[in-house]
Amino acid sequence: DAGVIQSPRHEVTEMGQEVTLRCKPISGHNSLFWYRQTMMRGLELLIYFNNNVPIDDSGMPEDRFSAKMPNASFSTLKIQPSEPRDSAVYFCASRGTSSGNTIYFGEGSWLTVV
Amino acid sequence: GESVGLHLPTLSVQEGDNSIINCAYSNSASDYFIWYKQESGKGPQFIIDIRSNMDKRQGQRVTVLLNKTVKHLSLQIAATQPGDSAVYFCAENYGGSNYKLTFGKGTLLTVNP
Repeated sequence: DAGVIQSPRHEVTEMGQEVTLRCKPISGHNSLFWYRQTMMRGLELLIYFNNNVPIDDSGMPEDRFSAKMPNASFSTLKIQPSEPRDSAVYFCASRGTSSGNTIYFGEGSWLTVV
Repeated sequence: GESVGLHLPTLSVQEGDNSIINCAYSNSASDYFIWYKQESGKGPQFIIDIRSNMDKRQGQRVTVLLNKTVKHLSLQIAATQPGDSAVYFCAENYGGSNYKLTFGKGTLLTVNP
């Protein structure tokens, strides 16, 4: 079975540019998460969707960050404008009722803002 | 605030030895715990989980022990192999929230051949 699929895997962009990260959750999963990982702060939950509806976005750092889930098989995380401190690995993860509380992660999008 | 922490940031073992990775948590309301393995350049991979109504759970070569009295969690890996080299994270789920996992900082396990 395909896992959580993220794109792009790596992106280098200039400060001020818009960045869009994409995610396809595991088919049948109804919960989707965006996490950010840095050396200093570890893994942080940015936003959680359930049945395509944002439930908790308290982890979104600033208004420059936005996330959407237009359907059950696709989500985006957008940063506009991007700043060097946004450089991190962004993980998308999903969970389904059949997997209990287990959250499955994608391979991550490695973002560098210069 | 309360958070999950790790006693050892790094652990180096010889191939074939058993490894023990420790984790301390401070939220007594946490009712579910997960261990993840993260290899370099990859996302966290689920290893094993345990609920607060259990003390021990075994998987393939891995065992998780939960001591609620001292709020301690450990991951034991039997006959450690080079492929086990990775960062290991424990995560806790606060009771009352069925989605909010709090992750520890991670322990780097290095297996020497």
